Amino acid sequence: AQKITQTQPGMFVQEKEAVTLDCTYDTSDPSYGLFWYKQPSSGEMIFLIYQGSYDQQNATEGRYSLNFQKARKSANLVISASQLGDSAMYFCAMREGYNDMRFGAGTRLTVKP
Amino acid sequence: DADVTQTPRNRITKTGKRIMLECSQTKGHDRMYWYRQDPGLGLRLIYYSFDVKDINKGEISDGYSVSRQAQAKFSLSLESAIPNQTALYFCATSDSAGGSGDTQYFGPGTRLTVL
Repeated sequence: AQKITQTQPGMFVQEKEAVTLDCTYDTSDPSYGLFWYKQPSSGEMIFLIYQGSYDQQNATEGRYSLNFQKARKSANLVISASQLGDSAMYFCAMREGYNDMRFGAGTRLTVKP
Repeated sequence: DADVTQTPRNRITKTGKRIMLECSQTKGHDRMYWYRQDPGLGLRLIYYSFDVKDINKGEISDGYSVSRQAQAKFSLSLESAIPNQTALYFCATSDSAGGSGDTQYFGPGTRLTVL
């Protein structure tokens, strides 16, 4: 069964606007972690943000925030004030307990000038 | 210098050849991972190692083997390469003492083409 679902293969956003990238997950483990990674065209995987299942507040890292809705099993990434350099593939991932991490298929974000 | 390095960065090989991809890290992390990335499929775990004496199969280990030569080194081998192993391969590391996050940090990737 698919553990991580990213339903948006591609997204467009105007420069300086905010954008939300969707991620839903499936787990019965009460202890899990959710991650977002960015992959620019150069290919490297860059860690952006982490949310633990027991964290009470949504994680934030600079212009990135994670909209964590536990009951709905969603962990959407919000990028505020988009920049041209934000154009990239974005991957959502989940680690259950001490198990290995599973990744979604990714969303390609294009920022328009 | 990069914390996680992979060699080679690009490799073209022929069907049936044995090939080794190498990963080194200076982060001091005890956990290391090998993933492959195919278009539209995200990243899938091949093997992982929680320390030098602990090697575990991931989601797609068939056709691959690994060796953890030291805490800092983790290599991936394709014993007899086949065309559907053409992919982008990533090494990653994480720190078991890093708290509940256990964030993984990735190398730059190796693009492998099997003809």
